[in-house]
Amino acid sequence: KNEVEQSPQNLTAQEGEFITINCSYSVGISALHWLQQHPGGGIVSLFMLSSGKKKHGRLIATINIQEKHSSLHITASHPRDSAVYICAVQGGSQGNLIFGKGTKLSVKP
Amino acid sequence: NAGVTQTPKFRVLKTGQSMTLLCAQDMNHEYMYWYRQDPGMGLRLIHYSVGEGTTAKGEVPDGYNVSRLKKQNFLLGLESAAPSQTSVYFCASRDPGLNYGYTFGSGTRLTVV
Repeated sequence: KNEVEQSPQNLTAQEGEFITINCSYSVGISALHWLQQHPGGGIVSLFMLSSGKKKHGRLIATINIQEKHSSLHITASHPRDSAVYICAVQGGSQGNLIFGKGTKLSVKP
Repeated sequence: NAGVTQTPKFRVLKTGQSMTLLCAQDMNHEYMYWYRQDPGMGLRLIHYSVGEGTTAKGEVPDGYNVSRLKKQNFLLGLESAAPSQTSVYFCASRDPGLNYGYTFGSGTRLTVV
């Protein structure tokens, strides 16, 4: 069983739609990260959170430590949001990351 | 402000050849990491370093060696490349502590034929 599970694996949306990507994990963590990877591109850190909620522009990330679950929301989605979104949990003595397999988002104009 | 720079960006190797991937960061970060990314799988940790002169094995270290002689550089070596090492390699760095996130490089796409 994977320690970090993301859903859905693939997501297609129309421009302007509200998008939710979910991440569940089964290990103890000190923080959870949301990352973005554009096709053929590098990896960009969007959020690092250990409790509650964070917002940056049209992106919102929430985490429920008791339920071991996090969500990434995108409001008013745009084609430039098309990318793979990766959830990663940070734990252990060295704080190494364990990654989910990613959610591929495609936003159609 | 370069952040994390990986060289080269692309490389094709023949089976059995050796090569070194370079990761350089200009943020004075203590911790550095090498990951590989394969289709259908999450990123997996190859080796990491928690400071100059230190290295440690990650989840998939076999076939790779690393060195961290200078704080800003983390080298990943393939002594005898195999087709199974065809992958995209990412370097990352961070400072220890809960409030500090990871900074990733742009990746190196390696093909072993």
